[in-house]
Amino acid sequence: NAGVTQTPKFRVLKTGQSMTLLCAQDMNHEYMYWYRQDPGMGLRLIHYSVGEGTTAKGEVPDGYNVSRLKKQNFLLGLESAAPSQTSVYFCASSYRGRKNIQYFGAGTRLSVL
Amino acid sequence: AQSVTQPDIHITVSEGASLELRCNYSYGATPYLFWYVQSPGQGLQLLLKYFSGDTLVQGIKGFEAEFKRSQSSFNLRKPSVHWSDAAEYFCAVGADTGNQFYFGTGTSLTVIP
Repeated sequence: NAGVTQTPKFRVLKTGQSMTLLCAQDMNHEYMYWYRQDPGMGLRLIHYSVGEGTTAKGEVPDGYNVSRLKKQNFLLGLESAAPSQTSVYFCASSYRGRKNIQYFGAGTRLSVL
Repeated sequence: AQSVTQPDIHITVSEGASLELRCNYSYGATPYLFWYVQSPGQGLQLLLKYFSGDTLVQGIKGFEAEFKRSQSSFNLRKPSVHWSDAAEYFCAVGADTGNQFYFGTGTSLTVIP
């Protein structure tokens, strides 16, 4: 079982460039999440989705956009990257409801120069 | 608002010694609580969870945690630490809506021989 797969694993961008991070899950989970992890800050929720075609803002959504066109995929976009977006990005998925365990991908390490 | 506090940024223990990692939460209703572990360069893996019932919960890898409502705590324990337990540990609480989880800032564990 692949679980949650994130691509790419590493990326270096120049300020102002755009990119899309892809998250794919094969567990038929309804919910998907994008987090960023920064030293001393833990994980902070960027955006999440409770189903195909629906997305919502999390704690730190500015500068990011997301799309969930298919149930198994959740895309995170940076339209104009900034150095403040240098971080490790994690995708997670779960069944519906707060009792359900989140399964995490291995992360994408992004540097914006 | 929901929040999770992990007071210890970094802990060092000797192999074979006991371990306790602290977690305090702020939440209005019955919390759904989780402990995750993150090995270097990896995503987060669930160690254990508490939803209701017995306040002492057992997890994987010999970990346990005790929910204490009066202290708003959910501390993680292990009787005898192994070198492979060196990792970052995150406490999390599931939010009211069922859509969001709030993570603590993490505790980094170093195990010395």
